[in-house]
Amino acid sequence: NAGVTQTPKFQVLKTGQSMTLQCAQDMNHEYMSWYRQDPGMGLRLIHYSVGAGITDQGEVPNGYNVSRSTTEDFPLRLLSAAPSQTSVYFCASSYSRPTGLSSGNTIYFGEGSWLTVV
Amino acid sequence: KQEVTQIPAALSVPEGENLVLNCSFTDSAIYNLQWFRQDPGKGLTSLLLIQSSQREQTSGRLNASLDKSSGRSTLYIAASQPGDSATYLCAGGDYGGSQGNLIFGKGTKLSVKP
Repeated sequence: NAGVTQTPKFQVLKTGQSMTLQCAQDMNHEYMSWYRQDPGMGLRLIHYSVGAGITDQGEVPNGYNVSRSTTEDFPLRLLSAAPSQTSVYFCASSYSRPTGLSSGNTIYFGEGSWLTVV
Repeated sequence: KQEVTQIPAALSVPEGENLVLNCSFTDSAIYNLQWFRQDPGKGLTSLLLIQSSQREQTSGRLNASLDKSSGRSTLYIAASQPGDSATYLCAGGDYGGSQGNLIFGKGTKLSVKP
């Protein structure tokens, strides 16, 4: 059971380039999300999805785009990379919204993607 | 909007000591409170989840409590070991302001000295 898989692990981009961070889960989870983690800022939600075809913005969505064509995959696209997007990105998934009333809403995180924009 | 705070930012203790990590939140309408562990260069691992109707959860040497009225949660680690060294994060949320998503604290970096 692979859990949540993120690729690539490390990436260096030049300002203005675009790229896609891949995220896949094999647990048939409906909820998936992307966070960025910066020193002194903690984890901040970028975008999330509650099912295939449904996405919504989180706290810091500007400069990022997402889509959810399948239950398994939730790619994060950087449209035109900026140095301010240098960060560690985490993908996470759970059966339903993590603050839902169901007791089984354990959320699973990927290992992270380290992105540097120069 | 829910805000989650963790104090202290870092903590160093000798092996064998019992310790408490603190987490406070601003909105008592919180649905659940979760504690995570993060090792350097790794993702987050869920440790304990406390539903709003519960007061505490236990897993091995870990015990987490939730007091909605005071806006506080604590993670108690008994008989700490060097392998417990990591950053511990708490996260909560509600169905209103955070739309069912988790709001994270900035974490407490724990170092357990042999």
